[in-house]
This record gives sequence, C-alpha cells and structure tokens, in this order.
Amino acid sequence: RKEVEQDPGPFNVPEGATVAFNCTYSNSASQSFFWYRQDCRKEPKLLMSVYSSGNEDGRFTAQLNRASQYISLLIRDSKLSDSATYLCVVNWSNKFYFGSGTKLNVKP
Amino acid sequence: SAVISQKPSRDICQRGTSLTIQCQVDSQVTMMFWYRQQPGQSLTLIATANQGSEATYESGFVIDKFPISRPNLTFSTLTVSNMSPEDSSIYLCSGGTAVAGGYTFGSGTRLTVV
Repeated sequence: RKEVEQDPGPFNVPEGATVAFNCTYSNSASQSFFWYRQDCRKEPKLLMSVYSSGNEDGRFTAQLNRASQYISLLIRDSKLSDSATYLCVVNWSNKFYFGSGTKLNVKP
Repeated sequence: SAVISQKPSRDICQRGTSLTIQCQVDSQVTMMFWYRQQPGQSLTLIATANQGSEATYESGFVIDKFPISRPNLTFSTLTVSNMSPEDSSIYLCSGGTAVAGGYTFGSGTRLTVV
C-alpha cells in the first residue's frame, strides 16, 4: 500500500468552477501535511500547509481529518492558471512522502 | 524559504558512465533530500543527505548506485553510477529547515541514458 494515495484525475473543469481533491495517507503518526503544485516540466512548489483546524488562502481551502486520515483541497472560482498537477504531501520523521498527484485542467 | 540551484538541468549520458548532480542552497538548511521522478509519476525519495555523515537511503536505493555527499549545510551532490536506460528520470533535490514551512526544490535534472 502506498503511503499517500490520490485520484490521478484528470479533472477537467470550466473556468469559474469549484473543484475538490482528496488524498489519504497510511501512517497515523504523520506529523504535518501539505499541498504542492507541479506545473509540466517544473519542480514542485509549495501551495499551502494543511492544519488540523482547516485553513484558507484566497480561493484555496485545505482540510485535514486525522481520524479518517485524509486531506482535502478545495479550489473555488477556478482560473486557467490553476491547471497543474496537485501533489498531496505527508511528513513523518522529517521526510516528505508524495502522492502520485491529481491533474487539473481548467478550460475556457 | 531557501532557494536551491541545481545543475545540470539536463544531460544525455552513455550507459555505464556516471553523472554527478549538484545542489547549492542560498542559506543553511537542516535537511536535504534527493528524489527521483519517473515520467508521469510522482516523486520517490531516494535518500536523506546527512551533513558530515553517510546518507540514509530508502528501500530500493543503495549507496553504491547513488552515492551522496553533503559536506556542509548548503551543498549536496548525488551521483548516478554505472547508468542504464532505466535510470532515465528527473532527479530533484529538496531542502529546508522548518518542516512546518515545507521544503523547497531545485529545478531538477532531466537525465536520459542511451
């Protein structure tokens, strides 16, 4: 079983749509959680950390459910520039473990 | 957050040869890591680069194949040894100090072995 699992997608949505991604992790001792964004042929870049209480950054909302061991990312009012692969990342023992990524295509 | 410069950005190598990839961080970081990303797949952790001591390798990766150096808190190298076409991949370094802030990545090395 993979440490971090995500639906690979792709999610094809029109501009302005709301889209949500989920991710599950296997290690209950995981300490911190992140969403990274990776554009084609580029390195991953931190999108946001995920806190137990849930957190929001503009159009992006991240939530963590420790009991069920899943993380979610909600994107509101999708923009063309949101098209990318979104990577769920889980940390334990100071190491990051990556999900396989969920591809998002936002279309005009 | 730290800025990481990685080089080379790409290379095409003959099988049986070795390539050394370098990462330079603009500030001292506690942790540095090396990842591999196969086409269309996610990142797989190769090893944690430990400053002044041997790297800690993940299952499936060994020092003879992927020797790593980390002489100080701002620099690390990964060597891909005795390369075969199966080693064709993108190799990325990553580093940071505060886990809570996430780690940043170098821009990656796209390796093709022919």
